[in-house]
Amino acid sequence: GENVEQHPSTLSVQEGDSAVIKCTYSDSASNYFPWYKQELGKGPQLIIDIRSNVGEKKDQRIAVTLNKTAKHFSLHITETQPEDSAVYFCALNPSSGGYQKVTFGTGTKLQVIP
Amino acid sequence: GAGVSQSPSNKVTEKGKDVELRCDPISGHTALYWYRQSLGQGLEFLIYFQGNSAPDKSGLPSDRFSAERTGGSVSTLTIQRTQQEDSAVYLCASSLVSGGVNEQFFGPGTRLTVL
Repeated sequence: GENVEQHPSTLSVQEGDSAVIKCTYSDSASNYFPWYKQELGKGPQLIIDIRSNVGEKKDQRIAVTLNKTAKHFSLHITETQPEDSAVYFCALNPSSGGYQKVTFGTGTKLQVIP
Repeated sequence: GAGVSQSPSNKVTEKGKDVELRCDPISGHTALYWYRQSLGQGLEFLIYFQGNSAPDKSGLPSDRFSAERTGGSVSTLTIQRTQQEDSAVYLCASSLVSGGVNEQFFGPGTRLTVL
């Protein structure tokens, strides 16, 4: 099966600073890379995603970059705010379309210090 | 519209008892997934259903775990003879392929505690 390694496992930043979370994968057929945010006591929620034909995507303070050659993708959060504190999971669909199993990373606990 | 709902939100049971966890997916979503999340850990895939196809049960940790999906909608995850190591949050997600991608919508989870 596919492996997704996610780093770091924990991350503390000062409010206003940037946070970067990186994931590496092994399956070159993967073509869809979502990021989920899980707040305490809730289920994960999709916050941004990127497809394999795009190198970067941005949505306000959140951006995701994808390097298919190196097989890694990263989540960038700028101007962090306390409400960004949560656990973030990267994920990927191992091949195009279908209802394939989604492989999740191990999660990064982000703490934004006011 | 309504999202994925799960019940109960919390379940405390004694070791050896059976439990049933329920998931109501988003209407029209043909795929349904169950995951297990232990405290502070990632998401462990358990099983998924897609339309009328046979479910993918490859993630079920033992034969004490089973799941069914009736009428292509509601799903029930059953754990028989519960053990303390079964204590975790059980998450359900549903999805609908759109544009070749699989965005999963998660429920709030059921927190299971086995005493």
